[in-house]
Amino acid sequence: AQRVTQPEKLLSVFKGAPVELKCNYSYSGSPELFWYVQYSRQRLQLLLRHISRESIKGFTADLNKGETSFHLKKPFAQEEDSAMYYCALRFSGGYNKLIFGAGTRLAVHP
Amino acid sequence: KAGVTQTPRYLIKTRGQQVTLSCSPISGHRSVSWYQQTPGQGLQFLFEYFSETQRNKGNFPGRFSGRQFSNSRSEMNVSTLELGDSALYLCASSLGVAGNTEAFFGQGTRLTVV
Repeated sequence: AQRVTQPEKLLSVFKGAPVELKCNYSYSGSPELFWYVQYSRQRLQLLLRHISRESIKGFTADLNKGETSFHLKKPFAQEEDSAMYYCALRFSGGYNKLIFGAGTRLAVHP
Repeated sequence: KAGVTQTPRYLIKTRGQQVTLSCSPISGHRSVSWYQQTPGQGLQFLFEYFSETQRNKGNFPGRFSGRQFSNSRSEMNVSTLELGDSALYLCASSLGVAGNTEAFFGQGTRLTVV
């Protein structure tokens, strides 16, 4: 069965420090992977997806099929990055079903 | 353009009652998915509707059901409510076509069962 694992419930860093939010998945086929973010009192929104290979708000994520990982990185964290981050997987034949990880709360301190 | 709209935003129901939640997708989106979000289980997929047909279903009991109308609006129904059904129910809409799978989420309906 498909699964997404985010090992850290909370990641606490200081402003300007590098950030890496970990995401590992289990799926034998070719997945489509996403990072969603939920800021305080806002709805869940797409941050980025692996097929677009773009950088959003300074965040990047690279799909590593060998390690089945899709870690989210940012070189210099900002206070406004504080939010809940969810890694999600969409698999072939699953239509638009997303399988979410448990989420990681990122807290960036001044 | 208007985002995904869910109504009502908050609901309090008693065990044994039934409840209907509504979701209006973004104009032009034909796919609507529902998720249950709880502190213990996180975000779990309930079902997806596309052009009025359920094309995917999660691992939830039959008390959870849904439907989609010709205008793509969707409703989900939970019958015989249990305390454990207390959760935030999220609706997501997308175009539903291959190559364009970005899901846009509503703000959710917070259901409390007492």
